[in-house]
Amino acid sequence: DIQMTQSPSSLSASVGDRVTITCRASQSISSYLNWYQQKPGKAPKLLIYAASSLQSGVPSRFSGSGSGTDFTLTISSLQPEDFATYYCQQSYSTPGGFTFGPGTKVDIK
Amino acid sequence: QVQLQESGPGLVKPSGTLSLTCAVSGGSISSSNWWSWIRQPPGKGLEWIGEIYHSGSTNYNPSLKSRVTISVDKSKNQFSLKLSSVTAADTAVYYCARKSPHYGSGSYYNVDDYWGQGTLVTVSS
Repeated sequence: DIQMTQSPSSLSASVGDRVTITCRASQSISSYLNWYQQKPGKAPKLLIYAASSLQSGVPSRFSGSGSGTDFTLTISSLQPEDFATYYCQQSYSTPGGFTFGPGTKVDIK
Repeated sequence: QVQLQESGPGLVKPSGTLSLTCAVSGGSISSSNWWSWIRQPPGKGLEWIGEIYHSGSTNYNPSLKSRVTISVDKSKNQFSLKLSSVTAADTAVYYCARKSPHYGSGSYYNVDDYWGQGTLVTVSS
């Protein structure tokens, strides 16, 4: 099975900061990597798919990069509505399930 | 605009069977999409449970496979989840989602783009 890890597990940042979250897969997943944002009490929201493609309607301050095993989500200028938990998910391997990373919580410094 | 809505009992007894339904509106369940179940224990991360295509083809999380059944009812435009022999560890918010093909990085990728609001299921006597 493919395991996903994320770092950091949490971070504190200020409005306007540039924020970077890293996701690593236990084996190569090509570009089969998605990023979701989740706010308390709400369903996850798709931000990025195929490692770097921005979902329709998502602000351009969000970007993704990487391939193989190492991926990055970047928020270029953090906005108040961006304080949330972010999850990566691999969509490469069905037999083991489309596993999620453990999440990164972004809160206000 | 596609909308998904989970429904089912909010309380299930240990050793019983959890049964949930996801009603799809604004689109046909027979379209070229997979339909997923994902869960999230209180205060924890997301766990993919499984998925179904309108033809009835399924994929399940190996860790849950022996207890999970996902089915589709095209006449009602809905799909369902059954999880047997539940324990307190199965207490979670259960989400249904649509997995649709998106073009990116030179290929098509299936991603969960529309989600239901989620429903909390508690396993307790």
